[in-house]
Amino acid sequence: GESVGLHLPTLSVQEGDNSIINCAYSNSASDYFIWYKQESGKGPQFIIDIRSNMDKRQGQRVTVLLNKTVKHLSLQIAATQPGDSAVYFCAGGGGATNKLIFGTGTLLAVQP
Amino acid sequence: GAVVSQHPSWVICKSGTSVKIECRSLDFQATTMFWYRQFPKQSLMLMATSNEGSKATYEQGVEKDKFLINHASLTLSTLTVTSAHPEDSSFYICSARGLQGLYEQYFGPGTRLTVT
Repeated sequence: GESVGLHLPTLSVQEGDNSIINCAYSNSASDYFIWYKQESGKGPQFIIDIRSNMDKRQGQRVTVLLNKTVKHLSLQIAATQPGDSAVYFCAGGGGATNKLIFGTGTLLAVQP
Repeated sequence: GAVVSQHPSWVICKSGTSVKIECRSLDFQATTMFWYRQFPKQSLMLMATSNEGSKATYEQGVEKDKFLINHASLTLSTLTVTSAHPEDSSFYICSARGLQGLYEQYFGPGTRLTVT
């Protein structure tokens, strides 16, 4: 069935360290994946996306890796800052309906 | 660009009343809008997909007679929670996909509904 889940519900890192947030998915038909950041009481904010025909994509301080063999997705944040503290969701989409299916989310807590 | 707004940002209503939430795409035209519900410390759950000028498609388990969705124009979709009950209290988030968009969804800031 369709599901996108996360390995770790909470991740605590020191300011300046790199963060890695993981996500597993089950739907092989997903055409794309998106990482969102959600701060408390706000809507999701787009971070970065990746097509299913890619295995890596880099943005500013963020990198998304996609391993289709094991159906695994990760978000790497370099030099994590206090402003990065939020809940991070991965979402997969595509297929006939082109809907987004969200994972359960990981709370990233950055310690100063 | 690609800004989506929601109104109101929060609302408190009494049990049994109806509440309407608006979702607007401010600087683009949205052929498709999505409505999500999010309970505390949980993920976003898709409730329905609405296309301008046609009936919304509801996800399994979502009561279409309780959550009325209208997408009357390319910039406005509304969600009406009818006969609200305390268990309907949640964070409702809309998103919009533009005319040129392949899969991008732009999210609104959410509406906090509390039913007393």
